[in-house]
Amino acid sequence: KQEVTQIPAALSVPEGENLVLNCSFTDSAIYNLQWFRQDPGKGLTSLLLIQSSQREQTSGRLNASLDKSSGRSTLYIAASQPGDSATYLCAVYNQGGKLIFGQGTELSVKP
Amino acid sequence: EPEVTQTPSHQVTQMGQEVILRCVPISNHLYFYWYRQILGQKVEFLVSFYNNEISEKSEIFDDQFSVERPDGSNFTLKIRSTKLEDSAMYFCASSVVRAVTGANVLTFGAGSRLTVL
Repeated sequence: KQEVTQIPAALSVPEGENLVLNCSFTDSAIYNLQWFRQDPGKGLTSLLLIQSSQREQTSGRLNASLDKSSGRSTLYIAASQPGDSATYLCAVYNQGGKLIFGQGTELSVKP
Repeated sequence: EPEVTQTPSHQVTQMGQEVILRCVPISNHLYFYWYRQILGQKVEFLVSFYNNEISEKSEIFDDQFSVERPDGSNFTLKIRSTKLEDSAMYFCASSVVRAVTGANVLTFGAGSRLTVL
């Protein structure tokens, strides 16, 4: 059974810092992997999708990497801003097309 | 950009009452999903639906839950007799194909918050 774990559970950084969020999954036979952002009490905003054949994806200040063999993905945020404060969720697709989510990393960027 | 629309955004109900949560998936999508998130916990898969039948369901999706696509555009989740532990955010999602390969992804709605008193 696929399990997705995110470390750390919470992170507080000063504005301007670069940071890395970690995601690990137990079954390396995954399909796509997706990173989401969730603001308190709100829905899921897709940030980046890494297809199973890819190793990384970039969008603006965000870069996500995928290492299937080691069961890991990272989300790198450059030059963090207070507006980046949110919970970041990692999720992997299984064969049936459903997503299995991690518990998220709650990020706080202090001005 | 096409959206998945969910109604209501928030519903408060008494324990034991029936609740129907509604979703309008993106028009050319064929695969539909419900997920839920209890406050402070992981987003959990409930059920997937394709070709007018359930294709997969989780252990959470017991006899109290049902899904339906009544009219070709709406996709509903019914909870027959709500319990306190059903309080959660419920997310609908859809995809044009089974989202496992290529650039196919699930598109999520904004969620329906259910509060059971």
